[in-house]
Amino acid sequence: AQSVAQPEDQVNVAEGNPLTVKCTYSVSGNPYLFWYVQYPNRGLQFLLKYITGDNLVKGSYGFEAEFNKSQTSFHLKKPSALVSDSALYFCAVVRNSGNTPLVFGKGTRLSVIA
Amino acid sequence: NAGVTQTPKFRILKIGQSMTLQCTQDMNHNYMYWYRQDPGMGLKLIYYSVGAGITDKGEVPNGYNVSRSTTEDFPLRLELAAPSQTSVYFCASSYQAPVKNIQYFGAGTRLSVL
Repeated sequence: AQSVAQPEDQVNVAEGNPLTVKCTYSVSGNPYLFWYVQYPNRGLQFLLKYITGDNLVKGSYGFEAEFNKSQTSFHLKKPSALVSDSALYFCAVVRNSGNTPLVFGKGTRLSVIA
Repeated sequence: NAGVTQTPKFRILKIGQSMTLQCTQDMNHNYMYWYRQDPGMGLKLIYYSVGAGITDKGEVPNGYNVSRSTTEDFPLRLELAAPSQTSVYFCASSYQAPVKNIQYFGAGTRLSVL
């Protein structure tokens, strides 16, 4: 079985400050990990993925995420938050073999305050 | 440049009515998915398809049916609408299994069952 936990329902950060959105996962075998973002009244958009290789993954809009196998985490980060980053963020995991679909976390709402 | 198109955008149903949510994609993707999104619950997979003529159940299939007669279309059928099916429904597609490729989402259908 595979699962994702996003421990924070809401994250508030001041504009210009660094932001972190947390994600931990559970999967048998090695994981593929993803972050998606959802803006109001829109579908989800892909941000970045970890497949293999470098543990630090860079994605769209200046976001990055660090894969930590020992802590089974894949936290999303950005050095300097923008008001336009305010959205709902979803972490997702899938086992790196077979055809099982992605499993999404419950989402974390990020609010960046000017 | 349409991507994944969902219709309708909004719908109100009475208990016991039936309807079909339409989804079409123009990216020649093999894989298609239906999710429902409830507040604070993240995304739950209803059904998915790995190609024309092949469908499989996701996490919450009860009360829904799907068919996949063409690569482009993946309609979701609600036969006897119930208040528990009030939700936002998202269709998504991907070229290969989600283990390596990203999913592209439609804008969603907001359904209320009263």
